Amino acid sequence: GAGVSQSPRYKVAKRGQDVALRCDPISGHVSLFWYQQALGQGPEFLTYFQNEAQLDKSGLPSDRFFAERPEGSVSTLKIQRTQQEDSAVYLCASSWPRTSNTGELFFGEGSRLTVL
Amino acid sequence: GENVEQHPSTLSVQEGDSAVIKCTYSDSASNYFPWYKQELGKRPQLIIDIRSNVGEKKDQRIAVTLNKTAKHFSLHITETQPEDSAVYFCAAFTSGSARQLTFGSGTQLTVLP
Repeated sequence: GAGVSQSPRYKVAKRGQDVALRCDPISGHVSLFWYQQALGQGPEFLTYFQNEAQLDKSGLPSDRFFAERPEGSVSTLKIQRTQQEDSAVYLCASSWPRTSNTGELFFGEGSRLTVL
Repeated sequence: GENVEQHPSTLSVQEGDSAVIKCTYSDSASNYFPWYKQELGKRPQLIIDIRSNVGEKKDQRIAVTLNKTAKHFSLHITETQPEDSAVYFCAAFTSGSARQLTFGSGTQLTVLP
């Protein structure tokens, strides 16, 4: 596709529900990142994939958060037993270089999660 | 890990004036510094970036400066226009196995007509 695509754009969940957020990166992009952006804040790193390998998950706030990218393309961020503090915009970003030192990321529009 | 501080958090300027946003970073290994513009409800979009081997870069009305010694970099927007109104984020990137961008907290720029 022309850009990074995320779905759903908006999700309202009751506390305790599980949610799954999908990211379609730019075709051919090796690296994929998930960020969490709270209202009025900058994006906070959650996790990073290089192809299907999850190389860094140090930003995931708890074991309720899980991300996968089984075939090295589409990625899913899953949040189990959602809490109100999980309410945020979840941004996915991709980049092509694997060995280059550039960090240019292309972001999706984000999935806005509201937990009631 | 890397820590990026950004100031000011809000900035209002008259149309045609200049705007300056400043960031500091903590990790001397960081080597790439992009700036993103985010309009309300939209995705962050790269507007300019600078690498650690360069001290200044300019693209039309936008320029970025980097002082590696002081671990400080700045965004300069000249001849501001109402469409420049948005939230601007600086970020620092450290290469290696993590390859993650660390963002500042953002600056809400308002250009008053």
